[in-house]
Amino acid sequence: AQTVTQSQPEMSVQEAETVTLSCTYDTSESDYYLFWYKQPPSRQMILVIRQEAYKQQNATENRFSVNFQKAAKSFSLKISDSQLGDAAMYFCAYRGNFGNEKLTFGTGTRLTIIP
Amino acid sequence: NAGVTQTPKFQVLKTGQSMTLQCAQDMNHNSMYWYRQDPGMGLRLIYYSASEGTTDKGEVPNGYNVSRLNKREFSLRLESAAPSQTSVYFCASRTGNKDYGYTFGSGTRLTVV
Repeated sequence: AQTVTQSQPEMSVQEAETVTLSCTYDTSESDYYLFWYKQPPSRQMILVIRQEAYKQQNATENRFSVNFQKAAKSFSLKISDSQLGDAAMYFCAYRGNFGNEKLTFGTGTRLTIIP
Repeated sequence: NAGVTQTPKFQVLKTGQSMTLQCAQDMNHNSMYWYRQDPGMGLRLIYYSASEGTTDKGEVPNGYNVSRLNKREFSLRLESAAPSQTSVYFCASRTGNKDYGYTFGSGTRLTVV
């Protein structure tokens, strides 16, 4: 079974600085999808960024980018120019391909932005 | 607004009571899911429905039943609530297109006393 590990329960960063959240996963599949979701205090799950394993290029969405290391099974999220609105829980998630419906989540990292 | 709608948003139950959590999506998505979120454990899959007329167990199905009423609606039923089912419940949906992620509802906070 696939597992997703987020080893940083809490992180903090100064406003306008850069922070990197770590995620590792375990799988025997070669084709899969990885996601980062943001959960602010409102509880809403918001998709931040996604990466397809067969694409070597790292995904980017404005201030958010990932460092995808397939061989190391690592998928970290970098947030540049951190803003107060980035404060939230961040979840890393994995989904296999070929009919695999299950989205497996890590335990989350709580990010605090220091003004 | 288009999306996934969950009702109710909050609920308190007594041990042994039953209730149904409702979920509806208006995006014509094929697949629908129920997750529970507990502190320090992320989100765990309870049940899912890959298409209308099908349902399958996820990681933590015990104590729950589901119904895929039609393509839009996917309900989660607790027949005899237990304190261990105190959690935040999320419904989600997804198209069959492999390139898309999941759209989540806003969650239901359930407390069983």
